Amino acid sequence: EIVMTQSPATLSVSPGERATLSCRASQSIGINLAWYQQKPGQAPRLLISGASTRATGISARFSGGGSGTEFTLTISSLQSDDFAVYYCQQYNNWWRVTFGQGTKVEIK
Amino acid sequence: EVRLVESGGGLIQPGGSLRLSCSASGITFSSHNMAWVRQAPGKGLEWISFITGSSSAIYYADSVKGRVTISRDNGKNSLFLQMNSLRVDDTATYYCARDLSGWSVFDLWGQGTLVTVSS
Repeated sequence: EIVMTQSPATLSVSPGERATLSCRASQSIGINLAWYQQKPGQAPRLLISGASTRATGISARFSGGGSGTEFTLTISSLQSDDFAVYYCQQYNNWWRVTFGQGTKVEIK
Repeated sequence: EVRLVESGGGLIQPGGSLRLSCSASGITFSSHNMAWVRQAPGKGLEWISFITGSSSAIYYADSVKGRVTISRDNGKNSLFLQMNSLRVDDTATYYCARDLSGWSVFDLWGQGTLVTVSS
């Protein structure tokens, strides 16, 4: 099983600042990585796939990068609507995907 | 409207069985692989099962293998999860999700149905 590790667990950021979230895979997954946003009481929402391709309707403030085992999600100029939990997911083993444990982005 | 709606959750005793359903609308259901993902209270996301559009391939997480069965009825635009021998640690919100690309990238999710296993 490919283990996904996200850091930090919690990120405190002021509105208008930049947030950078990290995700590490236990083995190389190429660019087969997706990012999701989840707000309390809601289902996850796809933000990015292919490590850097934004999903339909996702703001350009969200950008993804990385390949192999190291990935980042950057949210530029955080807005109030961006405070949420973010999950990375590998789909290199598409028949057995795994998620990271999540990073909570909270208001500083 | 494009949506997925889960149902069938509830309170069940350990060892019991439950069948979850996911009804799809506004999409060409048979063209999409589908999955079930669960989330224990206050915890992260856990993929538990996947089925291709034609039901030709099915996969399960080790945590549920042998206890759950995924199935679909394309004529009724519905996805199912039969859950048996339920345990306390199966308590979670269960989401159905649509595979965007055939690579298990999930672009459409239901609102979830809560399963509580407790005596």
